Amino acid sequence: DGGITQSPKYLFRKEGQNVTLSCEQNLNHDAMYWYRQDPGQGLRLIYYSQIVNDFQKGDIAEGYSVSREKKESFPLTVTSAQKNPTAFYLCASRWGGGRNSPLHFGNGTRLTVT
Amino acid sequence: GDSVTQMEGPVTLSEEACLTINCTYTATGYPSLFWYVQYPGEGLQLLLKATKADDKGSNKGFEATYRKETTSFHLEKGSVQVSDSAVYFCALSGRDNNDMRFGAGTRLTVKP
Repeated sequence: DGGITQSPKYLFRKEGQNVTLSCEQNLNHDAMYWYRQDPGQGLRLIYYSQIVNDFQKGDIAEGYSVSREKKESFPLTVTSAQKNPTAFYLCASRWGGGRNSPLHFGNGTRLTVT
Repeated sequence: GDSVTQMEGPVTLSEEACLTINCTYTATGYPSLFWYVQYPGEGLQLLLKATKADDKGSNKGFEATYRKETTSFHLEKGSVQVSDSAVYFCALSGRDNNDMRFGAGTRLTVKP
């Protein structure tokens, strides 16, 4: 079955440590996205990538970094510079067909930093 | 910039009651509009979409009509079930095709 796999489902880190969240898709989608979800705030865009080796900042990119070395993979690193990293992180992908294409989401990674 | 405003929750209904979740948008041009649903501990799933004015999206008994004159895309269902309990997100994809903007989400609880 085609889909998006995020791992791990739960992640715990100590403050000051960098952590990388995995996102893999086998939908052959060109575009991939990272969103952050906090209670009552909807989804906020962190980074997105429309093609391999290219990515752009979203609304809340500070303290995060990404790479897009393969079409299937778009890992997100939460750095120690992110002031409030505890959140639910969602990866999504989209066929490059423009505004009519819906996003397909993974099941998320819940990151807790203490 | 583009934005979506949706009815704040939580919403609690009895089984078989009618549901309406309001959604309005601000966008330049002619966006595509979406409703997504999120069950506990999961990612979002597409529920329905509409890509031009007066289009009606429908799925699993849910409907929403793209109203350009009122910039709205309200979600409706005539008879909700306990299994419809979830968080519902309204979203738009606009002139900037790189992004999708989401509302804050509305939590629906349906009681038997």
